[in-house]
Amino acid sequence: KAGVTQTPRYLIKTRGQQVTLSCSPISGHRSVSWYQQTPGQGLQFLFEYFSETQRNKGNFPGRFSGRQFSNSRSEMNVSTLELGDSALYLCASSLVGAWDTQYFGPGTRLTVL
Amino acid sequence: GQNIDQPTEMTATEGAIVQINCTYQTSGFNGLFWYQQHAGEAPTFLSYNVLDGLEEKGRFSSFLSRSKGYSYLLLKELQMKDSASYLCAVRDGDYQLIWGAGTKLIIKP
Repeated sequence: KAGVTQTPRYLIKTRGQQVTLSCSPISGHRSVSWYQQTPGQGLQFLFEYFSETQRNKGNFPGRFSGRQFSNSRSEMNVSTLELGDSALYLCASSLVGAWDTQYFGPGTRLTVL
Repeated sequence: GQNIDQPTEMTATEGAIVQINCTYQTSGFNGLFWYQQHAGEAPTFLSYNVLDGLEEKGRFSSFLSRSKGYSYLLLKELQMKDSASYLCAVRDGDYQLIWGAGTKLIIKP
């Protein structure tokens, strides 16, 4: 069974730009969660989607948004990029929810200059 | 507030045993996960505890005490490939997953 895939793997943007990240979950998994990871901060939960609906949201500003398509693929968008948005963005899929065992993708490394 | 504490970094010797602790204060409890994350890679699932006691899986064991809000991950017969960060995550009473900042484990020959 193919694992979770994320594209692109690396991105370099400048302040003020926007970015869209993509995640394809494991086949059959309906829950997709997004996390931001920075050194020393651990995983910070952004949001979870299940069957095209946002089920949970973390404590991030409205510049961070996402969506899920009918095939469970998910996208995450960050608008008006700030230097502090530089991080590894991880996507995780699970069968029933973010509280279940999660399977992570390799991540997208975003650098904002 | 909800909080998970883990040591930031630990060092151990190849072939030895190391115990990585995790203490938590959450609103309710519905299980605890351990994940392993090698540098530059995605976290991978190691273990899950919901009842008190020890769960053994090969060289890795995970222990839980719900009354003490405490868990540990025990790694035996350490190998160089065990050098990684170990993340503790707690499923709270609302089934939200709360993550610790992770413990970086350095293995020396």
